[in-house]
Amino acid sequence: KNQVEQSPQSLIILEGKNCTLQCNYTVSPFSNLRWYKQDTGRGPVSLTIMTFSENTKSNGRYTATLDADTKQSSLHITASQLSDSASYICVVSDRGSTLGRLYFGRGTQLTVWP
Amino acid sequence: EADIYQTPRYLVIGTGKKITLECSQTMGHDKMYWYQQDPGMELHLIHYSYGVNSTEKGDLSSESTVSRIRTEHFPLTLESARPSHTSQYLCASSQTEQFFGPGTRLTVL
Repeated sequence: KNQVEQSPQSLIILEGKNCTLQCNYTVSPFSNLRWYKQDTGRGPVSLTIMTFSENTKSNGRYTATLDADTKQSSLHITASQLSDSASYICVVSDRGSTLGRLYFGRGTQLTVWP
Repeated sequence: EADIYQTPRYLVIGTGKKITLECSQTMGHDKMYWYQQDPGMELHLIHYSYGVNSTEKGDLSSESTVSRIRTEHFPLTLESARPSHTSQYLCASSQTEQFFGPGTRLTVL
């Protein structure tokens, strides 16, 4: 069964600090991995997308890494801001179907305190 | 910001009522999707469409139905709402990457 597991489930950090979120997956055959940010009561918004051949990608203060051999990804947030408080969702796509089926993790709920 | 819209954003309704959740996108995407998401849980695909007049059921069984008469429009209907339908419903569209709407928070009393 294709699965995406994220850790930690929740995280509280102080404003200005860095943090790293983890994602392990078993989806096969692998197509790509995305990190989304979902604010409370809103739809997910894409932060990064990485294919098999990419092992790091940055988007401002967000840096994602991918190890396709161990099937692990991480999202590093630098110099956190209050607006970073949200759920961060790891999403893996397979290439076994024309739909490009997405497999969602449950997300890490990040809270940034002043 | 993706051009995909959902209405209403919030809906509180009594058991047995018929409801339609609207979703529209202005990006000309062929593929559209409906997801259901409970608090703290992952998104579950309940319906998808490859294009006009194409609809398929997703991974999670749902009593809702969908239609795709126009490319830009993908409404979801519940004929008789029940408390078990209380959830957040997210619509998405894609050509390659999926873009999500803001969601509809449905509460059935």
